[in-house]
Amino acid sequence: AQSVTQLDSHVSVSEGTPVLLRCNYSSSYSPSLFWYVQHPNKGLQLLLKYTSAATLVKGINGFEAEFKKSETSFHLTKPSAHMSDAAEYFCVVSSTGGSYIPTFGRGTSLIVHP
Amino acid sequence: DADVTQTPRNRITKTGKRIMLECSQTKGHDRMYWYRQDPGLGLRLIYYSFDVKDINKGEISDGYSVSRQAQAKFSLSLESAIPNQTALYFCATSESSGGRDTQYFGPGTRLTVL
Repeated sequence: AQSVTQLDSHVSVSEGTPVLLRCNYSSSYSPSLFWYVQHPNKGLQLLLKYTSAATLVKGINGFEAEFKKSETSFHLTKPSAHMSDAAEYFCVVSSTGGSYIPTFGRGTSLIVHP
Repeated sequence: DADVTQTPRNRITKTGKRIMLECSQTKGHDRMYWYRQDPGLGLRLIYYSFDVKDINKGEISDGYSVSRQAQAKFSLSLESAIPNQTALYFCATSESSGGRDTQYFGPGTRLTVL
């Protein structure tokens, strides 16, 4: 069994300040973890993924995430928010055993103020 | 041209009508998925297909059916649409890599059932 919890439905930051989007997961097998971004009226696009290599994963547009097995977390961070980062972000878990079907979190809406 | 396309992009229909949403991909992936997105609920899996002869129900398949006409085409049907099927529908594809798959999403179909 697997599940994912995004701890904040909305996060509001000012442009130029750090971004933290929190994600906790559970998985009966070794997990793969993903962050996807959805800009308004668009489909989802991969930001980054963890697949059992380096625990600190760098993605596109300056985002990165750290896999912490002891805390079952995969939080997404960015040092300095840009207006173009305003979007919906989804954390996803997929187990390397079982059915390999991804499970999506409910999403976090990132709001960036000028 | 986009790798994953969906038609139509928008559809308004009435209760009881039969609706078909179509998805085509040029990525050559075996795996295809249909999701619906509702505000605050993230993406929920309707059906998935690991190859042309393999179709599986997801967590919310009631009221929906699918057809995998070819490796590149995966259609979703609502036999008798009802208002609570109003949602944003996404098709996605992925390779087969034991749970490490990146998913590639279409632009979505916004369906309104009156």
